[in-house]
This record gives sequence, C-alpha cells and structure tokens, in this order.
Amino acid sequence: QVQLVQSGGEVKKPGAAVRVSCKASGYTFTDYGFSWVRQAPGQGLEWMGWISAYNGHTRYADKFQGRVTMTVDTSTTTAFLEVRSLRSDDTAVYYCARYPRFGVVFHDFWGQGTLVTVSS
Amino acid sequence: DIPMTQSPSSLSASVGDRVTFTCRASEDIDKYLNWYQQKAGKAPKLLLYAASTLQSGVPSRFSGSGSGTDFTLTISNLQPEDFATYYCQQTFSAPHTFGQGTNLEI
Repeated sequence: QVQLVQSGGEVKKPGAAVRVSCKASGYTFTDYGFSWVRQAPGQGLEWMGWISAYNGHTRYADKFQGRVTMTVDTSTTTAFLEVRSLRSDDTAVYYCARYPRFGVVFHDFWGQGTLVTVSS
Repeated sequence: DIPMTQSPSSLSASVGDRVTFTCRASEDIDKYLNWYQQKAGKAPKLLLYAASTLQSGVPSRFSGSGSGTDFTLTISNLQPEDFATYYCQQTFSAPHTFGQGTNLEI
C-alpha cells in the first residue's frame, strides 16, 4: 500500500535551517512527484512548491524562492524539503503530498505532517 | 498567482442535510480544481479532482461541479464523519493555490 512517512517534529531557533524528509513506499517512485504544503497553527493550507521525482525539476512559490530547496533521492525513494533562515512565522505543520507524473495534478496521498516550531 | 475564494467560511448543518460549498477562481482554470477534506490534526484527504471526478473510495454522497471560475462541492445526506474543513485547490497553474477553507460544523 502507498505510504508517505515524514520525519519527526523539529524545534529550531530563528535563523536556523530545517530539513524534513518524506519516505515513499508502495508505488513506483518516479511515476509521481511531490508537492510540499504547509499549515500554520489554526490556518489554511499553503502550497510551497513541487518537485518531479522523475527528473528533479522544481518550481517554488515566489514567497519561498531562495529560501527553500526541494530534492529527491531515488535510491531511497525519499523526498526532502529544506527551509533556511527560519522565522517565527515559519512555525507550521509541513506536509508532503504526491501527484501523478502525467495528466491532471492532484494529491491522493499525503504524509502525516511534520511540525516545525521556530522559537528563540 | 490565482487566488481562490471559498464561501461560506463556515457552515452549520445537521446529519441528513444536503450542503453546498462554493469555490471561485480569480481567472479561468478550466476544470483543474480539486477538493480536500481535513479533520483536526490530520492530513488533508482528496475527495474529488478535475472538478467532478470522485476519488476512489470516497462515498458517492460527495459530488462536484463547475468549470472556468465557479465550482461547487455538494454533500448529500450528511453523515457525522463529514463534519470537517473543506479546501479547494487549483492546479491550472503554479503556484497551486488553495482556498481559505470552509468549516462544516454540526
């Protein structure tokens, strides 16, 4: 069965960086890409960007450009999100979600979420 | 960016009711519209994609319609497990923006 299992919660100080992993299993890794979506406490969903697991191509939302990096490791079927220069308003649950390589884009499987807390 | 606007922001209903949510795009997105359900402390769950295609395993009481800029999600015969927050998302062009959500309350 398809599973996306994310790494555990993190507490970081302002200015630090965090790396969140998303281990995929149960399907052909390169047939799907990954979007990263975050949700601040009590707020809605915010799309951060996406990465193709087939060729590693990325597209980031403008507000995150230069501060986030998304990568994939096909040997371990894992996707990664790095966020640098953390601020208090980066405190959120970060989700990975897969989307099909071809056709309509939708997110049928999601990771369980990783809470990143930024606090001095 | 394509802002997505959902209405209402919250809705009260009872078990057995039929409810309809609206999602509006700021420009034409054809049928590239997905609907998700999210319960507290859980990841979103895909309900429908391409505006009206029901995701496998989702009950048929959920239905979607629309194209262009205006879309609706309808839940008929509300069940206790349907009380949650619902989000629309456009995937016509990146960034794949979400609506702000509609909270369905008992």
